[in-house]
Amino acid sequence: DAKTTQPNSMESNEEEPVHLPCNHSTISGTDYIHWYRQLPSQGPEYVIHGLTSNVNNRMASLAIAEDRKSSTLILHRATLRDAAVYYCILRDVEGAQKLVFGQGTRLTINP
Amino acid sequence: NAGVMQNPRHLVRRRGQEARLRCSPMKGHSHVYWYRQLPEEGLKFMVYLQKENIIDESGMPKERFSAEFPKEGPSILRIQQVVRGDSAAYFCASSPRRRSFGDTQYFGPGTRLTVL
Repeated sequence: DAKTTQPNSMESNEEEPVHLPCNHSTISGTDYIHWYRQLPSQGPEYVIHGLTSNVNNRMASLAIAEDRKSSTLILHRATLRDAAVYYCILRDVEGAQKLVFGQGTRLTINP
Repeated sequence: NAGVMQNPRHLVRRRGQEARLRCSPMKGHSHVYWYRQLPEEGLKFMVYLQKENIIDESGMPKERFSAEFPKEGPSILRIQQVVRGDSAAYFCASSPRRRSFGDTQYFGPGTRLTVL
């Protein structure tokens, strides 16, 4: 699986939007971009995934650059419950099944 | 629909003892994955199993660790002769089928192993 780069930490305020960036300059054409998050003392939780087009679900939006070398996870109105470590992961559709977690971005939400 | 269940949630063992960690996947899921998170470190893949088969064990330590997913019952991660360095959170995840573009791994709450 290709490598991703994320900031170590970010901070935002409650009820404001949060944009979490991820760089993946070596992404291949068959790599999907997945986001998971891990709340304190819990197991990771799936957030969203996409290939080329922007994606929306009830948790978040995923904006993918036209060249696919970067993407941004968008939390539209952050709550305190969104404080977590967010992981951007590339998964080849035909490759290994395992998830390869990097260091992720630790998101702090201020009340 | 119950989520992935792991037990025990906390396990304390003395050096040299055996640790058995159990994982019951979500209903209808036949694929199980084990990950380990050492203190202050990221999550690392250990092993991927389907019913009665080990598919990928590339992340398993060569000695003392084993995993199984029998036809009936939960998946078991077994650590023999535990050492202090085995202290970590062990997470199990399950998915319904072989990877396709949209498959997702659903994680359990983890078992926190402490070796005294």
